[in-house]
Amino acid sequence: NAGVTQTPKFQVLKTGQSMTLQCAQDMNHNSMYWYRQDPGMGLRLIYYSASEGTTDKGEVPNGYNVSRLNKREFSLRLESAAPSQTSVYFCASSIQEDSNQPQHFGDGTRLSIL
Amino acid sequence: GDSVTQMEGPVTLSEEAFLTINCTYTATGYPSLFWYVQYPGEGLQLLLKATKADDKGSNKGFEATYRKETTSFHLEKGSVQVSDSAVYFCALIHNTGRRALTFGSGTRLQVQP
Repeated sequence: NAGVTQTPKFQVLKTGQSMTLQCAQDMNHNSMYWYRQDPGMGLRLIYYSASEGTTDKGEVPNGYNVSRLNKREFSLRLESAAPSQTSVYFCASSIQEDSNQPQHFGDGTRLSIL
Repeated sequence: GDSVTQMEGPVTLSEEAFLTINCTYTATGYPSLFWYVQYPGEGLQLLLKATKADDKGSNKGFEATYRKETTSFHLEKGSVQVSDSAVYFCALIHNTGRRALTFGSGTRLQVQP
């Protein structure tokens, strides 16, 4: 019963390096999300994908790109990492755009940018 | 825009004490409200939810009632356990438009034996 799987769990990058965070869900959910979690700020939405083939910006999209590769996978890319992107990143999914259905979260990727 | 405000933490309680974590929100229309819990090193798990005014969500001894008149969704538990130590997040989602969660900043609960 995997749910939402994120890789890697930890990563250290140097400023200017690029990286892709992977997320996959096995619940046949239509909608997927990327959040970042910073101390004292809760989770903030970076990008989301309401359904396969669509992506939209969230609250803090600058410096990120996403790809909804297929229904299962939703990746987040940092093209040129900056120290301000040091954070814990969470991927989530939900069955569809229905506010009554909960989002299911992965265990997170802890990313440090030096 | 939408926002969720939670009480500052950490909240430190002794085992079997009564817990209240305050949550208020600002949003147009009638959002759905959630409490999520995050245990150390893990992702967020849905604890309970309420989708309309006066609904009460409950799970694992936790309860919260959707109060539209006070725009609040306070989390309560009658008797906390050490295993309840975690960070608790209040969140809302709209019934229309972008269906992504707006989170509060989280409240850390520490329960001492």
